[in-house]
Amino acid sequence: DQQVKQNSPSLSVQEGRISILNCDYTNSMFDYFLWYKKYPAEGPTFLISISSIKDKNEDGRFTVFLNKSAKHLSLHIVPSQPGDSAVYFCAARELTGTASKLTFGTGTRLQVTL
Amino acid sequence: DAGVIQSPRHEVTEMGQEVTLRCKPISGHDYLFWYRQTMMRGLELLIYFNNNVPIDDSGMPEDRFSAKMPNASFSTLKIQPSEPRDSAVYFCASSRRGQQYFGPGTRLTVT
Repeated sequence: DQQVKQNSPSLSVQEGRISILNCDYTNSMFDYFLWYKKYPAEGPTFLISISSIKDKNEDGRFTVFLNKSAKHLSLHIVPSQPGDSAVYFCAARELTGTASKLTFGTGTRLQVTL
Repeated sequence: DAGVIQSPRHEVTEMGQEVTLRCKPISGHDYLFWYRQTMMRGLELLIYFNNNVPIDDSGMPEDRFSAKMPNASFSTLKIQPSEPRDSAVYFCASSRRGQQYFGPGTRLTVT
């Protein structure tokens, strides 16, 4: 059973526009959420995170929003750039688990077009 | 720092053969994770270690899979015997506190 779901396998956005990637989770014990970015033939790299006590975290062009009541988070990229084209994974950490165990979604492939 | 190192980067083997994937974590990291990436299930956690001790292997699909961490700088994931459905990209990651750092992965193809 997928506890972290990314229902959009792909997304295409024009350069300069906003990219919105969505993620839903089912486990209410998750207390920390992360986004990872993956280029072809490379491992995922950490992008941005948010604690469950917050509803927004911003880092440059990247903002993550968390809606705990809806068990939903989203990643906004503004403005989108061609270099943002990659697969984005949403991940969640369980409150009662050990500090480092993460559950990942299936990923969303973002393509930023010129 | 060289980051997490994995070898080989690509492995092609025939069904029934033994496959060994290797990982060198970042120095000083006390957690090591093995993941498998497939289109259907995304990144699945197979097993993870803390201070070289296996903590959770509930993600290991079958007895054909085994993992060891003999010391803080080396881990192996072994599949014996391998099957075509094991074809995937296998990632190793390490962490010290929170954020995980991933290696480049090993693309395994079992024919």
